[in-house]
Amino acid sequence: SQTIHQWPATLVQPVGSPLSLECTVEGTSNPNLYWYRQAAGRGLQLLFYSVGIGQISSEVPQNLSASRPQDRQFILSSKKLLLSDSGFYLCAWRDSGTGDNQPQHFGDGTRLSIL
Amino acid sequence: QQQVKQSPQSLIVQKGGISIINCAYENTAFDYFPWYQQFPGKGPALLIAIRPDVSEKKEGRFTISFNKSAKQFSLHIMDSQPGDSATYFCAAKLHGSSNTGKLIFGQGTTLQVKP
Repeated sequence: SQTIHQWPATLVQPVGSPLSLECTVEGTSNPNLYWYRQAAGRGLQLLFYSVGIGQISSEVPQNLSASRPQDRQFILSSKKLLLSDSGFYLCAWRDSGTGDNQPQHFGDGTRLSIL
Repeated sequence: QQQVKQSPQSLIVQKGGISIINCAYENTAFDYFPWYQQFPGKGPALLIAIRPDVSEKKEGRFTISFNKSAKQFSLHIMDSQPGDSATYFCAAKLHGSSNTGKLIFGQGTTLQVKP
């Protein structure tokens, strides 16, 4: 069966520090991968998605970047964190090869607090 | 045009009652409508999904009703239980976006079921 791992679960970082959040998926090949941010009590904002290694699409201009160095690895990064980067970051995957209406499956997220 | 409007923002229901969450859309090119359930501190989990050629889909106590002409769909939770207390998100996928699987999410409904 497929599983998705995100780490760390919680992170407290000072303003101006770098960031690296990692997401890996097991049990599938060539998944679609997604990074979302969820502000407290709010909806899901799609930040980036990837349909293959090295292929990254950005949904909103921001202080963050994403990379996909391996098929099942998705990384969210920042060179200098801002206070506004605080939030709950969720990674999701989707099977790209077995039909049109495949759902997205989410990890358990990283709670990022910027001080 | 690509928004999904979800209501109510919050909902309180007595145990055993029916919880109803509504979503509306404008773009008739949406072709897949999943619902997600999110518990605090966790990622959203797929609950149930429907295609626009189906008017109703039931899985246990959860039912999606779909009204294509009104461009609305709703989630009904029968015999609501305290364990159903969570945030619920509706979503929609654009036809032709199968390669990316991008979803447009509603803003979420926080459901509290009182014992």
